[in-house]
Amino acid sequence: SQELEQSPQSLIVQEGKNLTINCTSSKTLYGLYWYKQKYGEGLIFLMMLQKGGEEKSHEKITAKLDEKKQQSSLHITASQPSHAGIYLCGADQGAQKLVFGQGTRLTINP
Amino acid sequence: DTAVSQTPKYLVTQMGNDKSIKCEQNLGHDTMYWYKQDSKKFLKIMFSYNNKELIINETVPNRFSPKSPDKAHLNLHINSLELGDSAVYFCASSQVWGGNYGYTFGSGTRLTVV
Repeated sequence: SQELEQSPQSLIVQEGKNLTINCTSSKTLYGLYWYKQKYGEGLIFLMMLQKGGEEKSHEKITAKLDEKKQQSSLHITASQPSHAGIYLCGADQGAQKLVFGQGTRLTINP
Repeated sequence: DTAVSQTPKYLVTQMGNDKSIKCEQNLGHDTMYWYKQDSKKFLKIMFSYNNKELIINETVPNRFSPKSPDKAHLNLHINSLELGDSAVYFCASSQVWGGNYGYTFGSGTRLTVV
């Protein structure tokens, strides 16, 4: 079965700094999702990537899928306290089954 | 208007009890899911239903029984609750878009078994 490894598992950055979270798959990715979770809340959909080399941006968050479709990165520019939370990457494993990485806990220090 | 709503948001109960969590989606999606997030924040699929029919059952103890009365509802009933069942349970729904799927999650039910 497909496994997703996220790195780092935990990240503390100063407000205003840039940061990157990585998601590496044991198999080719056919649909890669990024979600954000705040404590006590549900998962908020950020972006979905499908094609090798694809890149999408929303406000200060950019997600990329590499050409080989086995790694994705999430980059946040000029981080703000509102970016704090747990970031999860998820991959379609067929039959509408989404498999998740273990998550990256992001803390933003003022 | 909440797209995927779960009730209750919090549930504290004693070992051995039976409890249910309800989920409703108003998105018109055909497929609904239950996911479990453990204390280490690992999120794993438990069940999926497509149009009231069970599609995925991921080696979940048979104390867990999902029920889908219609495609907008997927409830989770748990018998004989154990300490290890303590977790956050998320309901989700999806519809195929353009060959890939979009998943919408509820806000979760935090179950604590004491």
